Amino acid sequence: QKEVEQNSGPLSVPEGAIASLNCTYSDRGSQSFFWYRQYSGKSPELIMFIYSNGDKEDGRFTAQLNKASQYVSLLIRDSQPSDSATYLCAVNMFRDDKIIFGKGTRLHILP
Amino acid sequence: NAGVTQTPKFRILKIGQSMTLQCTQDMNHNYMYWYRQDPGMGLKLIYYSVGAGITDKGEVPNGYNVSRSTTEDFPLRLELAAPSQTSVYFCASSSRTGGEQYFGPGTRLTVT
Repeated sequence: QKEVEQNSGPLSVPEGAIASLNCTYSDRGSQSFFWYRQYSGKSPELIMFIYSNGDKEDGRFTAQLNKASQYVSLLIRDSQPSDSATYLCAVNMFRDDKIIFGKGTRLHILP
Repeated sequence: NAGVTQTPKFRILKIGQSMTLQCTQDMNHNYMYWYRQDPGMGLKLIYYSVGAGITDKGEVPNGYNVSRSTTEDFPLRLELAAPSQTSVYFCASSSRTGGEQYFGPGTRLTVT
């Protein structure tokens, strides 16, 4: 099993709908989880982090964490064309305290 | 605060040439990182540093060297450029180990 797995996409979502991005990880002891947004030709930009089981909301973004299932997700409500980007999931590995990035999911919001 | 800055933005090297990619951060972060990103391959850690004078290898260190003489600066050196080093290079910094990282704008390097 890869350390951090994401579906590469592209995930196409109509404007105004909810986009749901998923990430699974292999290290059961991991404690810190991050979502980055990367526009084409740009650097990754931190948009959310979550440490506790449950939901964390920030504006139109909600991060969801389920440590028992080793699963973290990002929901984007009222999707806008400007949300079209690649979303990277990053996990702090308990075994060596290093951050491992997933390969990212390409999100395309359809106008 | 400028955050994390990188120079140059773009560079074309011939095989066998050398160059240094510069990275500077003004957030007083102890932790700094160098990644490369190839299309469809995600971010791969090249080297990292936990403070001035301390560096360590990441996942893909071969062909690269680093130094960290100050908290602010973390240059990446390519000694003998090879086509396999064609990539986009990102520098990042963090205030704590395993914490959120902040990225510079990147350097797009082509080796021909």
